Amino acid sequence: GQQVMQIPQYQHVQEGEDFTTYCNSSTTLSNIQWYKQRPGGHPVFLIQLVKSGEVKKQKRLTFQFGEAKKNSSLHITATQTTDVGTYFCAGNDYKLSFGAGTTVTVRA
Amino acid sequence: DTAVSQTPKYLVTQMGNDKSIKCEQNLGHDTMYWYKQDSKKFLKIMFSYNNKELIINETVPNRFSPKSPDKAHLNLHINSLELGDSAVYFCASSHGSTDGYTFGSGTRLTVV
Repeated sequence: GQQVMQIPQYQHVQEGEDFTTYCNSSTTLSNIQWYKQRPGGHPVFLIQLVKSGEVKKQKRLTFQFGEAKKNSSLHITATQTTDVGTYFCAGNDYKLSFGAGTTVTVRA
Repeated sequence: DTAVSQTPKYLVTQMGNDKSIKCEQNLGHDTMYWYKQDSKKFLKIMFSYNNKELIINETVPNRFSPKSPDKAHLNLHINSLELGDSAVYFCASSHGSTDGYTFGSGTRLTVV
């Protein structure tokens, strides 16, 4: 069955620095979605990527979908304290399967 | 206006009890889901309903029974609760299965 692996599990970032979280699927995906869950909160939909090689930006966040539609990345530039939380990728085959998430903490 | 609302927010109960969690969405979505998030934050799908019909039923114990009286509601009933059922349960909805999901705020279930 479809498996979505996400690394790293934890990311400790100095405020102002950049970081990237990576997502890999064992199968080709129809699309990939990214979610953010703040501590104590619920997952909130950020974006969906559908096309091979697609790149989308949301302010300081850059999302990429691999050419083979089996991997994706989220790059955050100039990290702020508001970026704290867990970022999940979710691969869509016939169902949405979530990666284990990358939990981000920020050092001021 | 709350888009996906779950009740209760917290549920503490003893082993062996039966409990229900309710979910309602006012987004006009046709697909609803139950996800379980364990202590390591792993989100695992349990059930999915499209227009009141069950379309995904993952390997979930028979003690868990979802019910969708209409496409705006998806409830989850759990019989004979066990310690391992302790988790946060999230309801979610979407327009079709390929659009972004809107999650409820979650129900933290603690079985003692």
